[in-house]
Amino acid sequence: KAGVTQTPRYLIKTRGQQVTLSCSPISGHRSVSWYQQTPGQGLQFLFEYFSETQRNKGNFPGRFSGRQFSNSRSEMNVSTLELGDSALYLCASSWTVSSGNNEQFFGPGTRLTVL
Amino acid sequence: GENVEQHPSTLSVQEGDSAVIKCTYSDSASNYFPWYKQELGKGPQLIIDIRSNVGEKKDQRIAVTLNKTAKHFSLHITETQPEDSAVYFCAASIMGSTLGRLYFGRGTQLTVWP
Repeated sequence: KAGVTQTPRYLIKTRGQQVTLSCSPISGHRSVSWYQQTPGQGLQFLFEYFSETQRNKGNFPGRFSGRQFSNSRSEMNVSTLELGDSALYLCASSWTVSSGNNEQFFGPGTRLTVL
Repeated sequence: GENVEQHPSTLSVQEGDSAVIKCTYSDSASNYFPWYKQELGKGPQLIIDIRSNVGEKKDQRIAVTLNKTAKHFSLHITETQPEDSAVYFCAASIMGSTLGRLYFGRGTQLTVWP
């Protein structure tokens, strides 16, 4: 069974631009969560989607948004990029966090560099 | 919200020795505790997890223990090998609810010297 895939793997943008990252969960998984990983803040939760609905959101500004499609694939968008948005963005998929099974499997991440 | 503390931040051991990483959590409602291994350039890989109704779980050279009263859990790796070198993260969450987000510790860089 294929794992979680994320595209692109690397991205370089300049301040003020916007970016869209994509995540395809493991086949059959319906929940997708996004995390930001930086050396300074570690792994921080951005948001979680299930059945095209955002169920949970972390403490990030409104510049960070996401969505989920009917096939469970998810995208996250960051608008008006800032230098501090440089990070590894990780996507994790699971069956559903409300099913009693919280096992979350991560993709390889998208390395975003903002210049 | 939940706060997860992880120690030590770095750990160096000789091949064949044991390694222990410890985490504490603050929210008594947390009931699911996974451990992830992250190698350079890769995403975190789930290596073992434990639920609050279990005190210990083993999988070959890896074991995790949980003390709900003290709110701490630990990862034990025995007979370490150079390929165990990586960053290890502990996490906590509330299983079975929509609040299933993972709260991570800051990570432990484990280096196993041959």
